[in-house]
Amino acid sequence: DAGVIQSPRHEVTEMGQEVTLRCKPISGHDYLFWYRQTMMRGLELLIYFNNNVPIDDSGMPEDRFSAKMPNASFSTLKIQPSEPRDSAVYFCASSGSGTSGITDTQYFGPGTRLTVL
Amino acid sequence: GQNIDQPTEMTATEGAIVQINCTYQTSGFNGLFWYQQHAGEAPTFLSYNVLDGLEEKGRFSSFLSRSKGYSYLLLKELQMKDSASYLCAAPRGGYQKVTFGTGTKLQVIP
Repeated sequence: DAGVIQSPRHEVTEMGQEVTLRCKPISGHDYLFWYRQTMMRGLELLIYFNNNVPIDDSGMPEDRFSAKMPNASFSTLKIQPSEPRDSAVYFCASSGSGTSGITDTQYFGPGTRLTVL
Repeated sequence: GQNIDQPTEMTATEGAIVQINCTYQTSGFNGLFWYQQHAGEAPTFLSYNVLDGLEEKGRFSSFLSRSKGYSYLLLKELQMKDSASYLCAAPRGGYQKVTFGTGTKLQVIP
C-alpha cells in the first residue's frame, strides 16, 4: 500500500489567501484525522471523520477552517482566509475501526508544511 | 497534550539504555500508544499497550500500568538514529479519538 498521501508537501502563501490541503487515506481505512503540529502546542487534533462523516470538529480553531470528505478516498482541509498564525505542519492520518473496543493504530501522511506570510 | 505528561527533552549516550516516561489521566481508557517522530517527518507507530506489563519489540520495549496511569518506553543499545521525538498518546472520548502528548525530544550523543 502507498500509505497516506498528502499534497502539497509545502505551501507558501500570503495572508488572506485561500489554502486547500489534500489527503488520500489508506485504502480500507474508515477513519480519517486532520492534525496540526507546532512547536508551541504539539500535535493537535482538528477534526476526524468516520465513513466520510465528520464526527468531532471541536478542535477546528475558527470558522476560517473547514474540512470535507466527499468520498472514502479523499479529504480536504481548507483555510480561508489564511493568517500567519496558521503556519504549521498539517498531518492527515487514517485508521481502521479497531475490534471489540480496541483502538486501531493511526498511520500518518508525510504532512504539509504551511507558511503564511 | 491535554492530560498527558512527558518530559520535554532527554539526552543519552550511544549504546546506553534510556527510559522515557509518560503519565496520563483519561477516562474510558483504551490503551496507550508510542510514536516516534524524526525531525521534519511524520509520526510513525512504535507500540500499543492495552494490558499491564512489559511488551518487548527488538531494542524497544513499552510498559503500562493502568492503575497508576503510567507508561514508559525503554530504548536499549541506543543508536544515533534513535535521536527523535517520542510521543505517547491515549484514546479519549471515543475509541478512535487519540490525544497526543507534546513529545520527548531525545538526543543521542557519541
